[in-house]
Amino acid sequence: DQQVKQNSPSLSVQEGRISILNCDYTNSMFDYFLWYKKYPAEGPTFLISISSIKDKNEDGRFTVFLNKSAKHLSLHIVPSQPGDSAVYFCAASALRGGSEKLVFGKGTKLTVNP
Amino acid sequence: GAGVSQTPSNKVTEKGKYVELRCDPISGHTALYWYRQSLGQGPEFLIYFQGTGAADDSGLPNDRFFAVRPEGSVSTLKIQRTERGDSAVYLCASSLTSGRDEQFFGPGTRLTVL
Repeated sequence: DQQVKQNSPSLSVQEGRISILNCDYTNSMFDYFLWYKKYPAEGPTFLISISSIKDKNEDGRFTVFLNKSAKHLSLHIVPSQPGDSAVYFCAASALRGGSEKLVFGKGTKLTVNP
Repeated sequence: GAGVSQTPSNKVTEKGKYVELRCDPISGHTALYWYRQSLGQGPEFLIYFQGTGAADDSGLPNDRFFAVRPEGSVSTLKIQRTERGDSAVYLCASSLTSGRDEQFFGPGTRLTVL
């Protein structure tokens, strides 16, 4: 049973517009959420995170929103750029005994068209 | 500075053979994680080391999988009697300490079992 779900396998947007990537989770013990970006043949790279005590975190063009009651988070990229084209993974964790094992969704492939 | 490195980048083996996958974490990072990414899926946690000890091995799928980190830096993931279902990209990540420090991922080893 998938605890972290990204229901959109792909998303295509025009350069300069907003990209919105969505993620849902089922485990109420998760208290920390992250977005990773992955280019082909490379490992995932950390993008932005949010703790469950917040509902929004912003870093430049990237903003993550958390709705705990709905168990939903989203990543907004404004404005989108062609270099943002990659696979985006949502991940969640529940810190336990020092282990920060991440539970990932299946990813959403974002294509930003020039 | 140098990131997480993994060798080999690609490994092709025959069903039933033994393989070893190596991970060199970022120097000074005490926490090390192994994940496995199957086709069309997100990374899936396998095992977490804090220093030399495996603090959480709850993600290892069965006893054919084993990992070591004898000196607290380099780690080796060992798979015995490989099966076709073991084919995946094996990702290693390290972080400065345990807990919520950012995990830096290597490029992965693509394992193909024929």
